[in-house]
Amino acid sequence: NAGVTQTPKFQVLKTGQSMTLQCAQDMNHNSMYWYRQDPGMGLRLIYYSASEGTTDKGEVPNGYNVSRLNKREFSLRLESAAPSQTSVYFCASSEEDGFRYNSPLHFGNGTRLTVT
Amino acid sequence: DQQVKQNSPSLSVQEGRISILNCDYTNSMFDYFLWYKKYPAEGPTFLISISSIKDKNEDGRFTVFLNKSAKHLSLHIVPSQPGDSAVYFCAASATGGGNKLTFGTGTQLKVEL
Repeated sequence: NAGVTQTPKFQVLKTGQSMTLQCAQDMNHNSMYWYRQDPGMGLRLIYYSASEGTTDKGEVPNGYNVSRLNKREFSLRLESAAPSQTSVYFCASSEEDGFRYNSPLHFGNGTRLTVT
Repeated sequence: DQQVKQNSPSLSVQEGRISILNCDYTNSMFDYFLWYKKYPAEGPTFLISISSIKDKNEDGRFTVFLNKSAKHLSLHIVPSQPGDSAVYFCAASATGGGNKLTFGTGTQLKVEL
């Protein structure tokens, strides 16, 4: 059971470089999310996709773009990386409104990104 | 503005004793609450949830209590085991908010032998 798979696991970027974080889920979930985790801040929602073909901003979307490539895949792009984007990034998926039916968010294992 | 607060960054408990993790929220629209557990180098995993129509939900060793008037919830783990050592995140959502969760900052639980 793969669940939610994120690549890469680690990445170091220089300021101004770009990169795409990849996420794929094999649970046939409708909704997918990108969170970032910073010390003392908990997890904060960057972008989400309630269903294939839709994306919406979360709490901290600045500096990021997303693509819901198909039902399985949801990528996060940093066009010009900044040191403030140093963080651990988590992708998650769920049934639409799933947590109200005991199908809560399923997370990947994260991508640790450092921007120097 | 932190809408979900976990004021204790860490907690240390002896094996076999009760662990109590606390969470406070400020948004009165929140009506569904969850606890997630996170081990190092892994993503958070769902532990237990509670709807605002209840004040208690139990699953094995884990019980979540909700006090709506105080905007407070707590997670009780009895008995605590060394494998419970992890970071615990409280999360909340509001009707109409889809599956968007607002997370607390987490509490590191250490269960000592």
